[in-house]
Amino acid sequence: AQSVTQLGSHVSVSEGALVLLRCNYSSSVPPYLFWYVQYPNQGLQLLLKYTSAATLVKGINGFEAEFKKSETSFHLTKPSAHMSDAAEYFCAVNTGNQFYFGTGTSLTVIP
Amino acid sequence: AAGVIQSPRHLIKEKRETATLKCYPIPRHDTVYWYQQGPGQDPQFLISFYEKMQSDKGSIPDRFSAQQFSDYHSELNMSSLELGDSALYFCASSLMLGLGTDTQYFGPGTRLTVL
Repeated sequence: AQSVTQLGSHVSVSEGALVLLRCNYSSSVPPYLFWYVQYPNQGLQLLLKYTSAATLVKGINGFEAEFKKSETSFHLTKPSAHMSDAAEYFCAVNTGNQFYFGTGTSLTVIP
Repeated sequence: AAGVIQSPRHLIKEKRETATLKCYPIPRHDTVYWYQQGPGQDPQFLISFYEKMQSDKGSIPDRFSAQQFSDYHSELNMSSLELGDSALYFCASSLMLGLGTDTQYFGPGTRLTVL
């Protein structure tokens, strides 16, 4: 079954530090991968998506993710964390029929 | 740009009551998805519709039903509500390109509380 795994349900970084949120997928075919961000009591907002074009995908708010087929990974990074980045982040895979979400990573930014 | 609209934003019901959640997709989007997100959980897919026909079904209880209307809006009907139905219900819409690259755009959600 198609699934995504997010390592680390909680990640804390200092303001200005590198943000790294991990996502691995399991699939025998190249999936279509997405990162969404969810702020408290709000809906999911698309950060970026990978659709078999460039392996390094740039998204909104300074985030980017690199698709690594050899590692079946699609980790989300941001060079310098900002207080406003504190939120829940979900990795998702689109198999063509359904979206499957990871269990989410809660990012805390320490001032 | 127009986004997905959901109504109501908050809903409080008693056990065994019924509830109807509405979703208005982004204009020209032909596919609607419903998700349930429990506290601290990831969104769980319930059901989807493409061109007013059910296209996929996930973990939707038999007590729930949904449909997509001719104007592409969708309604999720929930009957015999249980305490465990308390959750955030999201609707998402997309334009079906059939390639798997379709991006789902989410609404703000309806928070259902069952007392």
